[in-house]
Amino acid sequence: DAGVTQSPTHLIKTRGQQVTLRCSPKSGHDTVSWYQQALGQGPQFIFQYYEEEERQRGNFPDRFSGHQFPNYSSELNVNALLLGDSALYLCASSSPTGLLEETQYFGPGTRLLVL
Amino acid sequence: AQSVTQLDSQVPVFEEAPVELRCNYSSSVSVYLFWYVQYPNQGLQLLLKYLSGSTLVKGINGFEAEFNKSQTSFHLRKPSVHKSDTAEYFCAVNSGGSNYKLTFGKGTLLTVNP
Repeated sequence: DAGVTQSPTHLIKTRGQQVTLRCSPKSGHDTVSWYQQALGQGPQFIFQYYEEEERQRGNFPDRFSGHQFPNYSSELNVNALLLGDSALYLCASSSPTGLLEETQYFGPGTRLLVL
Repeated sequence: AQSVTQLDSQVPVFEEAPVELRCNYSSSVSVYLFWYVQYPNQGLQLLLKYLSGSTLVKGINGFEAEFNKSQTSFHLRKPSVHKSDTAEYFCAVNSGGSNYKLTFGKGTLLTVNP
């Protein structure tokens, strides 16, 4: 049973560019959340997608956007990259079933470096 | 609003010694609590969780945690650590309902020395 997968593993961009990160949830999960983990910090919630719609959003600017596809996979897009966007981007998935919905399982992350 | 405080940023211990990593949370409603571990250059792995029921929860790799509602704490313990336990440990809270996000603490770096 494949867990949460993310691509690419590493990415280098320059300021002002745009980036797209991808995530496939764990089998049986339909909800995807994205987190940003800056160096030396805990993960910060960006947003969550459920039924192809953004269900909740954290304190991130509109430069951060996302999408969820009918197969539950998801993309995170960041426009007009800033040096401060350099971080590990983590995707997490969860199950729709009762209390299990509260448990989020994380992928290995995509490490983004903005130069 | 929910928040998590991990009281120690670094905890050095010797192999086979016991360890406790402390976590306090604040939330105005019932909570679900989690501990995740992050090995160098990797994502987060779920160690254990409290959703309901028994306040003492057991997780993988011999770790356990106790939910204390009156003290709003969820400390992580292991009776005897190994070198392979060296990692960053994150406590997280989710207050459920219409709130879907996990709020994390800043992490505790556990270093196990020989």
